[in-house]
Amino acid sequence: DAGVIQSPRHEVTEMGQEVTLRCKPISGHDYLFWYRQTMMRGLELLIYFNNNVPIDDSGMPEDRFSAKMPNASFSTLKIQPSEPRDSAVYFCASTNQLAGAFADTQYFGPGTRLTVL
Amino acid sequence: GENVEQHPSTLSVQEGDSAVIKCTYSDSASNYFPWYKQELGKRPQLIIDIRSNVGEKKDQRIAVTLNKTAKHFSLHITETQPEDSAVYFCAASRGSGYSTLTFGKGTMLLVSP
Repeated sequence: DAGVIQSPRHEVTEMGQEVTLRCKPISGHDYLFWYRQTMMRGLELLIYFNNNVPIDDSGMPEDRFSAKMPNASFSTLKIQPSEPRDSAVYFCASTNQLAGAFADTQYFGPGTRLTVL
Repeated sequence: GENVEQHPSTLSVQEGDSAVIKCTYSDSASNYFPWYKQELGKRPQLIIDIRSNVGEKKDQRIAVTLNKTAKHFSLHITETQPEDSAVYFCAASRGSGYSTLTFGKGTMLLVSP
């Protein structure tokens, strides 16, 4: 398996532009998570999906952020319009629902380093 | 919601020494506790995890202990090597059906030769 795939790996854009980040989860995983990582705030959960349905988007910082999962193998995180404070590394992760009481490992993609000038 | 505190924020050791990183959690319903290692510019990768039905787990030089009563868990690395230098994150989850992880702020471990 190729693992979680993210694109692009690096994105540099100017303030006000729309940014779209993409993620392909591990095949067969039914949970997908979007995280943002900064030095100041660490790893923050933005939103997660179960079976392509958004479950909790309380971590999405503003209405400028939106996420979709049109099918089991693709998700996007969009920022419109982008601002310099959105500069961060954005990770996508996926996992599988286990039978029983315990969660399973989350596997992270390589991340997208976003710089908004 | 869950809150995970991690200490110390930075840790410097000499090669061959042991390193211990500690985390506390607030939600008594949490039952899954993974540890991730993140090298500079790379993704977080799972190095070891523990479930609440055991108190300790070992994998070569790495061990994790869990104290459910006190709601804390620790990562122990023995015989540290320079390649252990990275940021380590602990996390907690309430388990299947609540698969979100709450992460600690991370510990930067520096192992000097």
